[in-house]
Amino acid sequence: ETGVTQTPRHLVMGMTNKKSLKCEQHLGHNAMYWYKQSAKKPLELMFVYNFKEQTENNSVPSRFSPECPNSSHLFLHLHTLQPEDSALYLCASRPTGGAYEQYFGPGTRLTVT
Amino acid sequence: GQNIDQPTEMTATEGAIVQINCTYQTSGFNGLFWYQQHAGEAPTFLSYNVLDGLEEKGRFSSFLSRSKGYSYLLLKELQMKDSASYLCAVRDRDTGFQKLVFGTGTRLLVSP
Repeated sequence: ETGVTQTPRHLVMGMTNKKSLKCEQHLGHNAMYWYKQSAKKPLELMFVYNFKEQTENNSVPSRFSPECPNSSHLFLHLHTLQPEDSALYLCASRPTGGAYEQYFGPGTRLTVT
Repeated sequence: GQNIDQPTEMTATEGAIVQINCTYQTSGFNGLFWYQQHAGEAPTFLSYNVLDGLEEKGRFSSFLSRSKGYSYLLLKELQMKDSASYLCAVRDRDTGFQKLVFGTGTRLLVSP
């Protein structure tokens, strides 16, 4: 498989559930990102990882917990979410340094009930 | 901080030309990106401008004026498959190469 993949593509969870989103990139990149995309709002950057180290946390609530075990994999652990957290969660990657663009995965459509 | 504005929605006819505008305010401009996003799919990279002028790639062109804080994406010979959202994103020197700030996107509907 090539590019950036995300699983699951769709997720419905209750507010008391715990679930995880997974992102995997097969591009040899060293920077990985989590974004939140809500209707009629800009893409919101959540977290950035470089060489497995978190370099950006954009004031994200602690009910979202990222994990980056290696440069190819990124997880977003979810617990006690709120209905307003329902959105499309996009993962992206890029080579570190330089003017390179970000490559996005297809996203996980999350619905919190 | 940064502020990016683009129209919410546009409509056009197959075979026509459409121009999608993007204006931005940023303290340390360091590049502007255009992405295309079909419904339910990943945003895909279209173009990158860091110097003033026009960049042409087939049916798509992107223009930048840094002094005006303005860019546009020009789509020629529109096809039905061009119906998608078009996202403008700006990189700021103050926040480094890593981060992009996105506009809300322009939803383009191409009709027969």
